[in-house]
Amino acid sequence: AQSVTQLDSHVSVSEGTPVLLRCNYSSSYSPSLFWYVQHPNKGLQLLLKYTSAATLVKGINGFEAEFKKSETSFHLTKPSAHMSDAAEYFCVVSDINTGNQFYFGTGTSLTVIP
Amino acid sequence: NAGVMQNPRHLVRRRGQEARLRCSPMKGHSHVYWYRQLPEEGLKFMVYLQKENIIDESGMPKERFSAEFPKEGPSILRIQQVVRGDSAAYFCASSRTGSPGELFFGEGSRLTVL
Repeated sequence: AQSVTQLDSHVSVSEGTPVLLRCNYSSSYSPSLFWYVQHPNKGLQLLLKYTSAATLVKGINGFEAEFKKSETSFHLTKPSAHMSDAAEYFCVVSDINTGNQFYFGTGTSLTVIP
Repeated sequence: NAGVMQNPRHLVRRRGQEARLRCSPMKGHSHVYWYRQLPEEGLKFMVYLQKENIIDESGMPKERFSAEFPKEGPSILRIQQVVRGDSAAYFCASSRTGSPGELFFGEGSRLTVL
């Protein structure tokens, strides 16, 4: 069975400091993993995705994530937070054997302090 | 290339009325997913459809909710006899290939039940 656990429901960082949003997954097969961002009253936008190519994935707005199979993790990072990064972030897992299903984490709310 | 289009963006209904939410997927996408997001909560899967077929409706409430994706026209999520607990944001996403491909989200339809 597939599932996603986002370890922190809320993360608060100061502007200019690093961001770490944690995600662990369970998947019976080779997963595809995604991070989406949702700004207030908006839809979800894809930040980055891993689909069995390079394990370090670079996304938009300076975000990146590393797929670590041994740790079943796909943590999202950014070296320096910007005020515009304040949003809700969702980790998503899917694989070719999930019957076309995508599994969402419960989300992490990122606050950036000026 | 227009993105996923949802309408209406905001809908107000009184208890007992019907709500119809429409979703036009991206051009070339034949996979449509509906999700519900309650305030301060993550996304909950409702239903997955392909053209003229419901593939997975395991997230749909057993009563009052239905969805369709006809051969021509948008996908429609229909809620009959709405109750206050139906107040939420409803998001549609489309995919060209289904899992494990990428989901593209609409801006959401925000239903308020008075």
